[in-house]
Amino acid sequence: EAGVTQFPSHSVIEKGQTVTLRCDPISGHDNLYWYRRVMGKEIKFLLHFVKESKQDESGMPNNRFLAERTGGTYSTLKVQPAELEDSGVYFCASSHGLSPFGTDTQYFGPGTRLTVL
Amino acid sequence: LAKTTQPISMDSYEGQEVNITCSHNNIATNDYITWYQQFPSQGPRFIIQGYKTKVTNEVASLFIPADRKSSTLSLPRVSLSDTAVYYCLVGDYLNNAGNMLTFGGGTRLMVKP
Repeated sequence: EAGVTQFPSHSVIEKGQTVTLRCDPISGHDNLYWYRRVMGKEIKFLLHFVKESKQDESGMPNNRFLAERTGGTYSTLKVQPAELEDSGVYFCASSHGLSPFGTDTQYFGPGTRLTVL
Repeated sequence: LAKTTQPISMDSYEGQEVNITCSHNNIATNDYITWYQQFPSQGPRFIIQGYKTKVTNEVASLFIPADRKSSTLSLPRVSLSDTAVYYCLVGDYLNNAGNMLTFGGGTRLMVKP
């Protein structure tokens, strides 16, 4: 079974440009999450989708960030316009949801390293 | 959300058993304890999860005392490839599927030859 994949693995852009990150969750996982780690800080939650609906976007830093998950499959996270402080690693995770056998487990992708110059 | 405290770093040698303790004094009744492992340039990877007493899988063991205010991740006979950052997380992952994970600073484990 394929894991969570993210594209691109690295992105270097200039301040003011737009970047779109993509996440493909594990097939069949309704829950999709975005997290990020900015330089020297801890991994922080950004938002959570259940299928195509945003369940919790309390972690989104500002309106320069737009996440979508059309059709409830893959998700995109667009940063427009990018600022220097947006540099960091953006992780995507997915989970199946409540299991009759136990709790929910989130599976992470390798991350996209974003550098804004 | 319950706050977790764990050592910033630990050193060990190949073949030794490593125990990483995490304190979570204000853990709630419905909270589970979960440990993730992260290698450089990779996303966090689920290792083990428990609620009380002891849980063991093919990778590690998790010891949780009766008061649940702390937990210990035990890695048997570590190898160089176990060098990573280990995160202790606490949250209600049963009744709140889709609950965000709250990461702390983690423990950076260095295994030496």
